[in-house]
Amino acid sequence: DTEVTQTPKHLVMGMTNKKSLKCEQHMGHRAMYWYKQKAKKPPELMFVYSYEKLSINESVPSRFSPECPNSSLLNLHLHALQPEDSALYLCASSPKEYTRNSPLHFGNGTRLTVT
Amino acid sequence: ELKVEQNPLFLSMQEGKNYTIYCNYSTTSDRLYWYRQDPGKSLESLFVLLSNGAVKQEGRLMASLDTKARLSTLHITAAVHDLSATYFCAVDRVKEYGNKLVFGAGTILRVKS
Repeated sequence: DTEVTQTPKHLVMGMTNKKSLKCEQHMGHRAMYWYKQKAKKPPELMFVYSYEKLSINESVPSRFSPECPNSSLLNLHLHALQPEDSALYLCASSPKEYTRNSPLHFGNGTRLTVT
Repeated sequence: ELKVEQNPLFLSMQEGKNYTIYCNYSTTSDRLYWYRQDPGKSLESLFVLLSNGAVKQEGRLMASLDTKARLSTLHITAAVHDLSATYFCAVDRVKEYGNKLVFGAGTILRVKS
């Protein structure tokens, strides 16, 4: 079982919908990440939050809007998505952004389908 | 720009055989990670390699790092079916920061009985 919990596990949305992905961890980690993974491809970094502040935005389109309400929660708000945004969205955490010894802890992901 | 290349991308091997997966990266880094992903599942951390010459072993898997050659290997000894999965190596993109990982394309491993 993963210590990073993502909900929902599956999401189907239309291009005009607004939805949110949620991620929660209770390991006391202070850095949280969103990755996008297309089928048969490696994960690609989208956003990094460090101490609840956005640290990195990998030039992600504005139809993806991250939010970190507190150190345990990370949201990804979705609006006006395109079918090519369909993918597995992975949340991850680490003790802090500069953590030499600790790998990322990944959640099980949300499989998103945009119709 | 950091590039991470894995080979082979697909590996079909018989149970009991040995094989090695290679991971090359293009810029200096002293942090390399190996992850395993089962179909439809999340990524599980296997190894963290932090220095030149680092070698770590867990069960039938052994990982090593040569920072001078910018090469890591994942060696599989006497493969068993349970090792079937996709294996990713990942390298930190910027030395000053942690965990901004760039992943290799992944190696799909299938172990046949």
